[in-house]
Amino acid sequence: RKEVEQDPGPFNVPEGATVAFNCTYSNSASQSFFWYRQDCRKEPKLLMSVYSSGNEDGRFTAQLNRASQYISLLIRDSKLSDSATYLCVVNYSTLTFGKGTMLLVSP
Amino acid sequence: GAVVSQHPSRVICKSGTSVKIECRSLDFQATTMFWYRQFPKKSLMLMATSNEGSKATYEQGVEKDKFLINHASLTLSTLTVTSAHPEDSSFYICSARDEGEFNEQFFGPGTRLTVL
Repeated sequence: RKEVEQDPGPFNVPEGATVAFNCTYSNSASQSFFWYRQDCRKEPKLLMSVYSSGNEDGRFTAQLNRASQYISLLIRDSKLSDSATYLCVVNYSTLTFGKGTMLLVSP
Repeated sequence: GAVVSQHPSRVICKSGTSVKIECRSLDFQATTMFWYRQFPKKSLMLMATSNEGSKATYEQGVEKDKFLINHASLTLSTLTVTSAHPEDSSFYICSARDEGEFNEQFFGPGTRLTVL
């Protein structure tokens, strides 16, 4: 079983759409959780941390369900510039990355 | 956020040569740095954890004699790919942990290695 699993996509959505990504992780002892964004041929950049209480940053909302070992990311009012690969990342002693979910936002 | 630089950003070399990649934390000191490798359409895979002043810790399946890591100062770690072969062609990314209040990892821009 892979440690961090994500639907690779791509998710093709029009501008303004709401899109949700999901991620599951296998290590129940994982301590912290993140969503990173990676543009093509670039390094990953931290988008937001994920907390059990849920957290929101502008159009982005992240949620963690420890019991189900499930993490989600919701993007509202998608912009063209949101097109990227979104990486689910879980921290136990080191960061473990999912393969990423590709998002393509079209005009 | 904190800045991590990598050099070179891109390198093309012949099979059998060695390639050194530098990773620097520019505005913070990093006791711990990490080296990742990413093949096309694959996830980042941790290769090794670089510890300042001591030996690196390698992940299972990563040859320590092939991927030499040196972390001689609190702001610099180097990865040397020795006797590179075409299958070593990949995107190598380093990150440095800022052990301040937020204990966040910052990533370098990556080095794209192509071995002919």
